[in-house]
Amino acid sequence: GAVVSQHPSWVICKSGTSVKIECRSLDFQATTMFWYRQFPKQSLMLMATSNEGSKATYEQGVEKDKFLINHASLTLSTLTVTSAHPEDSSFYICSADGLAEESGNEQFFGPGTRLTVL
Amino acid sequence: AQRVTQPEKLLSVFKGAPVELKCNYSYSGSPELFWYVQYSRQRLQLLLRHISRESIKGFTADLNKGETSFHLKKPFAQEEDSAMYYCALSGRRSNDYKLSFGAGTTVTVRA
Repeated sequence: GAVVSQHPSWVICKSGTSVKIECRSLDFQATTMFWYRQFPKQSLMLMATSNEGSKATYEQGVEKDKFLINHASLTLSTLTVTSAHPEDSSFYICSADGLAEESGNEQFFGPGTRLTVL
Repeated sequence: AQRVTQPEKLLSVFKGAPVELKCNYSYSGSPELFWYVQYSRQRLQLLLRHISRESIKGFTADLNKGETSFHLKKPFAQEEDSAMYYCALSGRRSNDYKLSFGAGTTVTVRA
């Protein structure tokens, strides 16, 4: 089956530093990947849609200069939280769009990355 | 704009009892509806989608366009069904493939 990995699974950083989170589709190519943010016991909030070879599309209210997204290949998208602050602490989840015929329009989710900014 | 509403934040049922999770949506085009499940300490995974019309782990969901609902049902809940359930919508047929999630319902099945 389609597997999506994220690295790291958790990260603790100091306020003001930047953190990069990787999202990889392990056994399929993903033209489109999505980045979500999830607060404890709350729903997933879509942050941006990452398209391979083009600029990401950000949802309203998400600062594109704060959350830099790069989708350099069909199997890798990265989210960089720049100049992180404690309010950026959250669970970040990526998903990849399985456009293969057998998966239809299913999104495959990564395990998430827990970011804690001190 | 697309919106998904799950009115119940928490749902507790006894093992063997029926369980129904409510989901209502609003979308101007032709939506595709999904139920995703997140078991404790596991990633989000697809449970079922309306276009496949199948039953997964005993769960079924019927899209009711008149009531704009996609409620999830299971006649006999099991303890392993305890999880967080999310209803989600995408406008894939309109080439609007991003997912909008409801707030989620935490289901606890008690022995």
